[in-house]
Amino acid sequence: QVQLQESGPGLVKPSETLSLTCTVSGYSISSGYYWGWIRQPPGKGLEWIGSIYHSGSTYYNPSLKSRVTISVDTSKNQFSLKLSSVTAADTAVYYCARVMGAGWDWGQGTMVTVSS
Amino acid sequence: SYELTQPPSVSVSPGQTARITCSGDALPKQYAYWYQQKPGQAPVLVIYKDSERPSGIPERFSGSSSGTTVTLTISGVQAEDEADYYCQSADSSGTYPDVFGTGTKVTVL
Repeated sequence: QVQLQESGPGLVKPSETLSLTCTVSGYSISSGYYWGWIRQPPGKGLEWIGSIYHSGSTYYNPSLKSRVTISVDTSKNQFSLKLSSVTAADTAVYYCARVMGAGWDWGQGTMVTVSS
Repeated sequence: SYELTQPPSVSVSPGQTARITCSGDALPKQYAYWYQQKPGQAPVLVIYKDSERPSGIPERFSGSSSGTTVTLTISGVQAEDEADYYCQSADSSGTYPDVFGTGTKVTVL
């Protein structure tokens, strides 16, 4: 059974770049599927950030596209998120997920706070 | 932008039926998915492709689709069903391949 684990700094300063990594176990990223990032501000709903295929092709939420980069490292079985020029509005729980036609498998999420 | 609209809240007594709607212009052409999220936990898939139920999800959860609205029905609601529920789908142009609904808080009275 696939497991996904987010990792990265829990505190990021305003205007800096937020960087997170999702480590996948129980399934090889290079075998297929899209892999995605989602976030949830405290007390609010879910927002899809973007997704990447194992080959590296990406698609992003148009509202975040100018600040988002998602990449994949099949040798480490990981994929990563970079969100630039962060503000307090980017404070959220960030989830990674395996994207499938039969629904998504989610990591447990990691809280990232943007504050000086 | 593309939006999926859900009622903010639904209240139901134990044993009764809860219905949660999700409205979006592209729903006649795109599958919908439903997730349950309890406080402090990651979302869990309860319905995929409009009406399919994953293994391990109780039979009291069902999904249906009609025009621009999809519905999650919880029959014989139990206290453990109290949670937030989100629909997920896509727009028809490909600009928004993944969109989540606004979310519905189900309260078991």
